[in-house]
Amino acid sequence: DVKVTQSSRYLVKRTGEKVFLECVQDMDHENMFWYRQDPGLGLRLIYFSYDVKMKEKGDIPEGYSVSREKKERFSLILESASTNQTSMYLCASSDRTGGTDTQYFGPGTRLTVL
Amino acid sequence: GQNIDQPTEMTATEGAIVQINCTYQTSGFNGLFWYQQHAGEAPTFLSYNVLDGLEEKGRFSSFLSRSKGYSYLLLKELQMKDSASYLCAVRSRSNDYKLSFGAGTTVTVRA
Repeated sequence: DVKVTQSSRYLVKRTGEKVFLECVQDMDHENMFWYRQDPGLGLRLIYFSYDVKMKEKGDIPEGYSVSREKKERFSLILESASTNQTSMYLCASSDRTGGTDTQYFGPGTRLTVL
Repeated sequence: GQNIDQPTEMTATEGAIVQINCTYQTSGFNGLFWYQQHAGEAPTFLSYNVLDGLEEKGRFSSFLSRSKGYSYLLLKELQMKDSASYLCAVRSRSNDYKLSFGAGTTVTVRA
């Protein structure tokens, strides 16, 4: 089974802090994604990566950056956290060589910025 | 971009059938996914449609009509554990890696 893990289930940070969210997948997937999920808005794509050291902006990249130094790890960085970044953050990975390119999700990190 | 619409909430009785509709508008349709998400948990993959027609997987079936920009997820013989949010997601040909998600439909199964 595909396993996607995220470093924390819950995080509480203060406005202005730098925040790192880590995601690791164990299936050698090329693609990795970061989403945020807010009530009534669904999942919105922040950034994605289709290879090591590659990154692409999603629909809402402002206020975020990412890093992919190793194939299995994709980090989301909030350079200076703000209260409007309080949300559930979900990481996903997918395999381009498969027929459907299905995305598999981690358990999520619920971030609260005070 | 994509506009994806699905109902916000549905309620049904244990043992019944529920149909969750999803309509979309997209440039370069390249597949539609349904995910199940229990409260506080990760979305889990349920089904994938890229051609018109019905895909059946046990109690769950998914239908697609590309010409109408329409899909539905059918849940049969409902069980209490089916109470969850169901997410419709569309992939576009313009970028094969990106999924656009609907806001999700919360299904409550009552005894």
